[in-house]
Amino acid sequence: SSEVTQPPSVSVSPGQTARITCSGETVANIYTSWYQQKPGQAPVLIIYKDIERPSGIPERFSGSSSGTTVTLSISEVQAEDEADYYCQSADATTASVIFGGGTKLTVL
Amino acid sequence: QVQLVQSGTELKKPGASLKVSCRASGHTSTKFAFAWVRQAPGGALEWVGWINPSKGSTMYAQNLQERVTVTTDTSTATVYLELRSLRSDDTAMYYCAGFTDSRGDALEVWGQGTMVTVSS
Repeated sequence: SSEVTQPPSVSVSPGQTARITCSGETVANIYTSWYQQKPGQAPVLIIYKDIERPSGIPERFSGSSSGTTVTLSISEVQAEDEADYYCQSADATTASVIFGGGTKLTVL
Repeated sequence: QVQLVQSGTELKKPGASLKVSCRASGHTSTKFAFAWVRQAPGGALEWVGWINPSKGSTMYAQNLQERVTVTTDTSTATVYLELRSLRSDDTAMYYCAGFTDSRGDALEVWGQGTMVTVSS
């Protein structure tokens, strides 16, 4: 079955740029979304169609795509960005939804 | 803006069945499809299934498809998740989420979650 892979953790100092990758064959052909989840809260959509940002999401959050890897970048990281981040794609053949295993972003 | 409100906490015994509801309010004229996603304690998000009321279609995760059914009542704008033959590893927070093809099927609105505990 299709899978997408994320690093389990990323650490960054305040003010720096955090980059979280999501890799898998499916992301080369299917739009990827990104979600932010803080403890005890439901996930929030922060990027859709690989690079688009919903209204209300800060410009510091951006997405990019190259081949079989999509990347979520968070510039000028703030303490409030500390959260779990999940990428989501789909299996083109079965229309099944696929989540990455999640990346815990730690702001040092 | 659409809001999704889910039913409350559930405690079930192994082997029992579960039915969780998710009611949409607000701009329900938008043609949303709905997904169910679960998250075991300390775990990652796991897709359970989706329903597209406009097309009358459903799709389920392969590992759950024999035990799960997603239905909708369009008259009340409510989506239901039924899970049968519950096991302890079904213990999780269950979320409903709405999506449209205008955003590449991204899950753009989420319910608050329903905690389901399966224990004898």
